[in-house]
Amino acid sequence: QSVLTQPPSVSGAPGQRATISCTGSSSNIGAGYDVHWYQQLPGTVPKLLIYDNNNRPSGVPDRFSASKSGTSASLAITGLQAEDEADYYCQSYDSSMSGYVFGTGTKVTVL
Amino acid sequence: QVQLQQWGAGLLKPSETLSLTCAIYGGSFSGYYWNWIRQSPGKGLEWVGEINHSGGTNYNPSLKSRVTISPGTSKNQFSLKLSSVTAADTAVYYCVRSCRGGTCYDYWGQGTLVTVSS
Repeated sequence: QSVLTQPPSVSGAPGQRATISCTGSSSNIGAGYDVHWYQQLPGTVPKLLIYDNNNRPSGVPDRFSASKSGTSASLAITGLQAEDEADYYCQSYDSSMSGYVFGTGTKVTVL
Repeated sequence: QVQLQQWGAGLLKPSETLSLTCAIYGGSFSGYYWNWIRQSPGKGLEWVGEINHSGGTNYNPSLKSRVTISPGTSKNQFSLKLSSVTAADTAVYYCVRSCRGGTCYDYWGQGTLVTVSS
């Protein structure tokens, strides 16, 4: 179902940088639709982390940043902390599906 | 602070109709799109559909023939009905607000686990 592909898992030591890719196509990210990112801590509801490609809602640490280029987007977490262990999802709109789509999700593990 | 509170039956038999309602507290129904998003156990997120304050709806094409999202019976509520459910519809269902003027999702309900089993 997912048309946005993410790596299943990413890991890093505390303090390191982790990067999550979100690969789409010409009908979603490549068509210019905005990309958003969500963090889902274990057993909790997804939380908006980044909106409109690279904007952080109030309260989200600036350790989280994102970018978009071509048919892909990426989320970077600098200075990894234990509390960053969670599932992360990208989201956009797909014109061929005429609907909103989520990425496959990436589990971040802090070693 | 906006809060979304949802409720509905958590256990269904195959072929029955899923019915959930979401109430909006601390915010207005007007000016936003309101969504249902589901998450199958251990899997990712799937957009089900949306409704705006005028009653306009958009549905996931893969579910469109079975989904109805409508205003609730009370003010500041909206509902989801999904007919002819199967085990594949087992998931946590969230009611969610779209960001104002945007395509992101900023407020989420607590989620309702709906299990379809004979």
